[in-house]
Amino acid sequence: DIQMTQSPSSVSASVGDRVTITCQASQGISSWLAWYQQKPGKAPKLLIYAASSLQSGVPSRFSGSGSGTDFTLTISSLQPEDFATYYCQQANSFPFTFGPGTKVDIK
Amino acid sequence: QVQLVESGGGLVKPGGSLRLSCAASGFTFSDYYMSWIRQAPGKGLEWVSYISSSGSTIYYADSVKGRFTISRDNAKNSLYLQMNSLRAEDTAVYYCARENYWGQGTLVTVSS
Repeated sequence: DIQMTQSPSSVSASVGDRVTITCQASQGISSWLAWYQQKPGKAPKLLIYAASSLQSGVPSRFSGSGSGTDFTLTISSLQPEDFATYYCQQANSFPFTFGPGTKVDIK
Repeated sequence: QVQLVESGGGLVKPGGSLRLSCAASGFTFSDYYMSWIRQAPGKGLEWVSYISSSGSTIYYADSVKGRFTISRDNAKNSLYLQMNSLRAEDTAVYYCARENYWGQGTLVTVSS
């Protein structure tokens, strides 16, 4: 199975900050990576698919990059509604494993 | 609009069984693969199972293989997860999902 790791596990940031979250796969997954945002008590929301494609309706301050084993989610200017937990998920091979999550909270 | 509504969750004793359902609407259900994902209280997301659009291809997480069975009824626009031999560690909110669409989840609690 492909293992996914994320760093940091949590980050404290202020509105307007640039935030970068990294995700690493235990083996190459090409660009088969998605990023999700989850707020407490809610289902996850897809932000990025195919490593760098922005899901329809998602603000352009979110961007994704990377391929192979190393990936990045960047929030260019953090907004109040962005405080949440972010997960990466590989879709290269079953089981479609998730990373452990990165919690973004208010500094 | 796409809607996925899970049901069937509840409290069950260890070793017991439960069948989850997911009612789909707003799209041609038979055209899409579907998945179950779960989230234990206060924990991260865990992919559980996948079923192809026709039902001919199925995958499971190792943690549920041999105990859970995914199925679908395309005539009823419904997805199912039959869960047997339930354990305390199966306690979670279970979500059905179609690509970027997720249901609201149904809580399964396994406790004596």
